[in-house]
Amino acid sequence: DSGVTQTPKHLITATGQRVTLRCSPRSGDLSVYWYQQSLDQGLQFLIQYYNGEERAKGNILERFSAQQFPDLHSELNLSSLELGDSALYFCASSVRGQGGTEAFFGQGTRLTVV
Amino acid sequence: AQKITQTQPGMFVQEKEAVTLDCTYDTSDPSYGLFWYKQPSSGEMIFLIYQGSYDQQNATEGRYSLNFQKARKSANLVISASQLGDSAMYFCAMRERNTDKLIFGTGTRLQVFP
Repeated sequence: DSGVTQTPKHLITATGQRVTLRCSPRSGDLSVYWYQQSLDQGLQFLIQYYNGEERAKGNILERFSAQQFPDLHSELNLSSLELGDSALYFCASSVRGQGGTEAFFGQGTRLTVV
Repeated sequence: AQKITQTQPGMFVQEKEAVTLDCTYDTSDPSYGLFWYKQPSSGEMIFLIYQGSYDQQNATEGRYSLNFQKARKSANLVISASQLGDSAMYFCAMRERNTDKLIFGTGTRLQVFP
């Protein structure tokens, strides 16, 4: 168990809908990262938050947004969903925002858009 | 731009034998970190081992060791005494300097047979 908790584990929704994925980092970790794993794009970095502030942004679509709350949990919001958004979404956490020697991943949320 | 290359889509190894999974990287940054993750069929990403660019010795964690050749920009993972439970996808990743964003390779699927 990595200590990073993601909910839900599975999500099936229709095109055009909006969903929220939740992540609780390991105790003491200030940094949260979101990644998307799809068959055609592989593992792609979406966005990073450090202690409530956005630190880095990757290839995140405008339909997607995220935030990190004062208790350090994070949510990834996906709206106007398309079939191509079907993927495994991972959250990872680390203590620092940079220079870390480890990054632990949650079990992922498997999103299926139908 | 930073890049990770894993040229072996699939590898087979017999139980109890050692296996090497290749990873080469490209970066102009003198400070970087290299990670290996295991992804079993259940989907979670399991952190295996880390190597920093300034580390003098190759990293080891139990049956996992990292053959770090800085001049050749390679960071191969060596798994000794393979077990059936080692069958999984293995990803090499590099940490970007100013954040802890990870850039992943395309992965190698390892299958261990009896």
